Order: sequence, then C-alpha cells, then structure tokens
Amino acid sequence: AQTVTQSQPEMSVQEAETVTLSCTYDTSENNYYLFWYKQPPSRQMILVIRQEAYKQQNATENRFSVNFQKAAKSFSLKISDSQLGDTAMYFCAFMRTTDSWGKLQFGAGTQVVVTP
Amino acid sequence: DTEVTQTPKHLVMGMTNKKSLKCEQHMGHRAMYWYKQKAKKPPELMFVYSYEKLSINESVPSRFSPECPNSSLLNLHLHALQPEDSALYLCASSQDALVRPNTEAFFGQGTRLTVV
Repeated sequence: AQTVTQSQPEMSVQEAETVTLSCTYDTSENNYYLFWYKQPPSRQMILVIRQEAYKQQNATENRFSVNFQKAAKSFSLKISDSQLGDTAMYFCAFMRTTDSWGKLQFGAGTQVVVTP
Repeated sequence: DTEVTQTPKHLVMGMTNKKSLKCEQHMGHRAMYWYKQKAKKPPELMFVYSYEKLSINESVPSRFSPECPNSSLLNLHLHALQPEDSALYLCASSQDALVRPNTEAFFGQGTRLTVV
C-alpha cells in the first residue's frame, strides 16, 4: 500500500514571497506519478503540477516548481512570487502508472494562506 | 471546454428525503468519478464509471446509488442518508480511466450536502 504524508497542516506566506510545501510518500513501486492539486475556496480541485517518476528533471509550471528526490521519496512544491489567489488547500497525490485516475492517493493537505 | 459542471451547488435534505446530485461534462471523457470530501480532509473515492459501466465501488453504502445514463452525465441518487453523510461531493472526469501522458482528471466544484 502507498501512503502520502504532508506534515505541514498550515503555512502562511506574504505576497511576492516564496513558500515550500513538503510531501513524502512510501511505495515499493518504481514507476508512478506524483501530483500537486490545489483546492481554493471555490472547492474545485485543480491540477497544479505533475511529475513522472522516471523523469529525473524536476517539473515546473510558471511560478510552481517541484523538488523530486526519488531515493528519499520526497516531492516538495515551491510557490514563487506568491499571489493572493494562491490561497488554497494543497494536496500531494500519488498514483501508480498501472492505476486509474480514481486511485489517486492524497495526502492530508496543507492550507496555504497568502497575506498582503 | 474543460469544465465539469455539478448541480446543485448546495443541498439540504432530511433523512427521509430522496434527492439526486448531477454531474455533466462535454469533453468527450469516458471515465467519470464520484468522491466524498469531509471538511479539511482529502477526497475519498466512492465510484468509478468507465465507458458508462460501473467499474469501481469502494464499498459505499447502498443509500448512495450512482447512475451513468450516457457518457456525458453522471448522477448520484441519495436516499435515507444520515447526518454523517454531510460532506462535499465532488465529481471528476478523465479521457479514460488509465493515466496517460498529457491527460488529467478534471474536477467539478462539488455539491455541499447537509443532512438534517
């Protein structure tokens, strides 16, 4: 079984600053996907960034980047130049390549609050 | 159009009521999902439909009855619910159930259900 751990229940950051969210996971699989989802007050889950485990290069999407350490089973998310609209719950998620989308394993989430 | 539309946005129902939640997508996706999300928790998978057939039921009580009338529409029929069933119910869809490069699961904004 896979487990995903997010150890930071809440993080606060000022506008334009940088915040890093941690995520660790436990798996015996070699091929898998990792995701960061964002859930703002509008409640919709939005995919922020994804990483294929076989790719060594860290994924980036505009102000969002990850630090993927496969050996350490760590997958942190860095939000640069934070904006008020980044205020949301952020979920780290794991999925085996053989699974279906429904089998996303979510972490407990980290609430990010961006302050003016 | 990358939208998954859920109606209603809010629903209050009594324990003896029968109600239905609706989810619609027009992206040509052939896999659709129902999730239950309690406050400050990650979503939990309830059902997966693949090509209009129920492929996963995560041991959900029979008071929740899913239905997929066609490839664009997913319903969740509710009957004799308990107060502990109060939660956010999220619908999602994906191209098909398998994870492929450059595909993702799209989520709706959910229905906030309160059982009184």
